[in-house]
Amino acid sequence: RKEVEQDPGPFNVPEGATVAFNCTYSNSASQSFFWYRQDCRKEPKLLMSVYSSGNEDGRFTAQLNRASQYISLLIRDSKLSDSATYLCVVTLIPYNNNDMRFGAGTRLTVKP
Amino acid sequence: NAGVTQTPKFRILKIGQSMTLQCTQDMNHNYMYWYRQDPGMGLKLIYYSVGAGITDKGEVPNGYNVSRSTTEDFPLRLELAAPSQTSVYFCASRGSGRLKTEQYFGPGTRLTVT
Repeated sequence: RKEVEQDPGPFNVPEGATVAFNCTYSNSASQSFFWYRQDCRKEPKLLMSVYSSGNEDGRFTAQLNRASQYISLLIRDSKLSDSATYLCVVTLIPYNNNDMRFGAGTRLTVKP
Repeated sequence: NAGVTQTPKFRILKIGQSMTLQCTQDMNHNYMYWYRQDPGMGLKLIYYSVGAGITDKGEVPNGYNVSRSTTEDFPLRLELAAPSQTSVYFCASRGSGRLKTEQYFGPGTRLTVT
């Protein structure tokens, strides 16, 4: 089983749609969780951290379910500019970036 | 403030050749990282450094070497290139402190070994 698993997609949605991605992780000792965004042929960039109580940043909502070992990302009112690959990232030790594990990513295409 | 810069952007190597991928950051970050990203796969950590003079292996260090003589620079060396090293290489950095978790990535180097 992979340490971090994501549905590779692609998810093709119309503008204005709501879309959600899940990411499962295998190590129950995992402590820190993040979503990164990667545009085609570009470097990853931090989208948001994921906190235990869930958190929201504009149209984006991230949630953590420790019991089932997954995190989720919800995007409301999708924009064309949201088209990208979304990477799930998990670390074992709190705030220890030397132990980050990246998922392979979920590709999202938002169509007009 | 350029952030993290990498050179070259693209390179084609023949099997057995060697090369150095350059990485420089101007944010005075202590932590620096090298990752590789293969198609359809997540990023894999090759080497990292927590400060000048200190480096350590990541998940996939075989076939690579690094050095960190200054805070700004963290070059990655491939000594005997193999086709399995065909990949996109990303350098990243982050600041110190528990709350400074965001890693800043360079634009990447696309390497093909034939």
